[in-house]
This record gives sequence, C-alpha cells and structure tokens, in this order.
Amino acid sequence: EVQLVESGGGLVKPGGSLRLSCAASGITFSTYGMNWVRQAPGKGLEWVSSITESGSDIYYADSVKGRFTMSRDNAKNSLYLQMSSLRVEDTAVYYCARDYSSGSSTDYRGQGTMVTVSS
Amino acid sequence: EIVLTQSPATLSLSPGERATLSCRASQSVRNNYLAWYQQKPGQAPRLLIYDASNRATGIPARFSGSGSGTDFTLTISSLEPEDFALYYCHQRSHWPTITFGQGTRLEIK
Repeated sequence: EVQLVESGGGLVKPGGSLRLSCAASGITFSTYGMNWVRQAPGKGLEWVSSITESGSDIYYADSVKGRFTMSRDNAKNSLYLQMSSLRVEDTAVYYCARDYSSGSSTDYRGQGTMVTVSS
Repeated sequence: EIVLTQSPATLSLSPGERATLSCRASQSVRNNYLAWYQQKPGQAPRLLIYDASNRATGIPARFSGSGSGTDFTLTISSLEPEDFALYYCHQRSHWPTITFGQGTRLEIK
C-alpha cells in the first residue's frame, strides 16, 4: 500500500522557521517526482514546490520562492520542506504528493500536516 | 498561468441522480493533462480521473471524465451517499506548475 506520511507541522511565530518531512512507503521513492501542495483553512489547493526524481531540479511557487527549500533523501525515502521567514498567510495544511502518470497529475496518500503561523 | 474555473460552485442532488461538474480553462490544457479530485473534510484530495478521461486505480466506474482543450467535465452516473464532497480540477500543462480550480461542492438535496 502506498503511504506518504507528513510530519513536522506546528505553531510558529511570524518570521520563524519549520521543517516538514514526508516519509514514503509502498513505492520505489527514487523513481517519482514529488510535490508539496498546501490548503489554507477553508480554502482551495495551492501548489508550493516540486522536485525531480534525483533531486537535481527543484521548482517553487512565486509565493514561497526564496523562503522555502525543498529537498529529498532517496536513501531514506523521505521528502523535506524547510520553511523560513514564515508569514501568517503560510498557515495551511501541507500535503506531499507523488507524480502520477508521468507527472500529468499528482497522488495524495497522507493526511497532511498543519502549519499555523501566528503571534 | 492557466486559470481553471469550476461550475457550479454548489450542486444539490439526491442519491441516485446524475452529477455533471464543469471545469473551464483560460487557455488550452496541453495534452489534456487535466485531473479531477474528491476531497472530504479532514482528508487529503483523492485522485479520481487523470489525463481528462482515465480513471485512477480503484476508482468506481460511475466516475467518468471527458473533454479536451479548454472544457472538461466530470460525470458521476448515479450518486452514492459517499460521493457528496468537494471536487477540484487540476491542470499540469507544463510540469511542474499546477493550478487548481476553486472547487465544486456536491451536497445532498
């Protein structure tokens, strides 16, 4: 069974930092592009960042560029999102997702992790 | 950036009825890389349809997708009680950027 288990969320003050993790199982992790997508409370879904299978190429939404850093460790079947200079508007549930059908869509298998940025 | 507009915002139907949800793109979606997701409260989105018309693994046959270019449709042929949820469309014309529609809420009439 495919599982993507997100962790690391919590309450942080504006300007603070947080590191999210996503542990993958049931898949050959190193063969998938991976993604972070977030959902603010009561709002829709927003793409945050993506990384290629090897980790050589990483892309970010303009809203997080320069503040968030995505990485992966294929030996540990793990995905990461280092978030810094956090803003109130970064408050959301963060989901990790694998590429599906050669990347034309994305597949979510976890419950997400909640990040709350508040003073 | 491709903007996806879903309609209607809310759809009120009864179990057993047919549901038709629309997703319109501001420009053509390359290769019809349009997907549909179902989301229930407190849960992650669940992939239903990819590449406009292909059902994802394990998705019941009552879910079908159609369309091309800028106009796409998700049809649920006969609503089951568990189908009442939020539905999003998603496009990925140019990896990696993803845009989502704003969602359609399917509620019990």
